[in-house]
Amino acid sequence: GENVEQHPSTLSVQEGDSAVIKCTYSDSASNYFPWYKQELGKRPQLIIDIRSNVGEKKDQRIAVTLNKTAKHFSLHITETQPEDSAVYFCAPTNAGGTSYGKLTFGQGTILTVHP
Amino acid sequence: DGGITQSPKYLFRKEGQNVTLSCEQNLNHDAMYWYRQDPGQGLRLIYYSQIVNDFQKGDIAEGYSVSREKKESFPLTVTSAQKNPTAFYLCASSIGGGIAYNEQFFGPGTRLTVL
Repeated sequence: GENVEQHPSTLSVQEGDSAVIKCTYSDSASNYFPWYKQELGKRPQLIIDIRSNVGEKKDQRIAVTLNKTAKHFSLHITETQPEDSAVYFCAPTNAGGTSYGKLTFGQGTILTVHP
Repeated sequence: DGGITQSPKYLFRKEGQNVTLSCEQNLNHDAMYWYRQDPGQGLRLIYYSQIVNDFQKGDIAEGYSVSREKKESFPLTVTSAQKNPTAFYLCASSIGGGIAYNEQFFGPGTRLTVL
């Protein structure tokens, strides 16, 4: 099965700074790389994802970069705001095969943005 | 966020009792999932179902059981065999049906406490 590690486990930044969370995975067959955000007391929600045929994807202040050779991908948040404070989960997936549709989540990174 | 519901929000159980957590969705999704969330461990998959009347064990299925008699419903039973059932339980659904790169939509969760 997929082994997933996220680093750091906690991240504290000042408002306006950038934040980077890295996700390392073991299954070289993984080809789908989503990031989910869970605000305190709320349900997880997909915020950005990337497929293996793309090296980078950006959506306003958030971006995801992929290094398939090294088997890691990262979430980048620029110009952080207090509402970015949440737990972020990566979930690298082999979108085909026997793990069809199933996600293996990382342990989460707690991001705190201080005003 | 609407479309997938879980009940109850809080549930208390005495040791040795089975308890069933409800999950309903009106998104017409084929696939449904149950996760357990513990601090520092991310989301761990208990069971998943890609279609009615079919389900598979996830990574931590021991002590749990499910059924999928209707497309809309995927109840989870926590049995007395689950040694450490106190946790936050999240249900999710996705389009499934052959679409592998599919977002999972989460319910609001049920917090189970064993007294």
